[in-house]
Amino acid sequence: DAGVIQSPRHEVTEMGQEVTLRCKPISGHDYLFWYRQTMMRGLELLIYFNNNVPIDDSGMPEDRFSAKMPNASFSTLKIQPSEPRDSAVYFCASRQGSSYNSPLHFGNGTRLTVT
Amino acid sequence: ILNVEQSPQSLHVQEGDSTNFTCSFPSSNFYALHWYRWETAKSPEALFVMTLNGDEKKKGRISATLNTKEGYSYLYIKGSQPEDSATYLCALHNAGNNRKLIWGLGTSLAVNP
Repeated sequence: DAGVIQSPRHEVTEMGQEVTLRCKPISGHDYLFWYRQTMMRGLELLIYFNNNVPIDDSGMPEDRFSAKMPNASFSTLKIQPSEPRDSAVYFCASRQGSSYNSPLHFGNGTRLTVT
Repeated sequence: ILNVEQSPQSLHVQEGDSTNFTCSFPSSNFYALHWYRWETAKSPEALFVMTLNGDEKKKGRISATLNTKEGYSYLYIKGSQPEDSATYLCALHNAGNNRKLIWGLGTSLAVNP
């Protein structure tokens, strides 16, 4: 399996522009997580899905952030409009099953820079 | 608010040294503790998932122990090598919290050749 695939790897955009990050989870994994990583706060969970349904979006910073999972093999995280404070590395991760024994499998992340 | 604490924040050792670091967590309602290894410019990779008090797990030169009663886990690296340089993250699963992992900020390990 190719693992969790994220695109793009790097995104540089100007303040106010819309940004869309993409994720393809591992086939057969029914949980998908979006994380943001910053130096100050470490890994923050933004939202997660189970069987394509959003379960908990309490980590989404504000209305400028939205996430969708139209099918089992694709998810997007959108920021509109983007702001400089959104600059971070965004990770997507997937997991098979709800067992606490199941580890997360991370993608390589998208480094977002908003100028 | 539940906190997962990792110490030290960073560590520099010489090649061949053995080292260990700590993950501390609230002991109540414990379900599982995860350890991940995160190399620069790569994605975090799972090392261990531990669920039982007294668990010991090993992968090559890396091992981990778990004490759920007192709320800590140790990660040990025997004979550190430069390729062990990475950030080591622990994350807690406990009852409630809507099945979300609670992450520590990590211990950054640098192994000097």
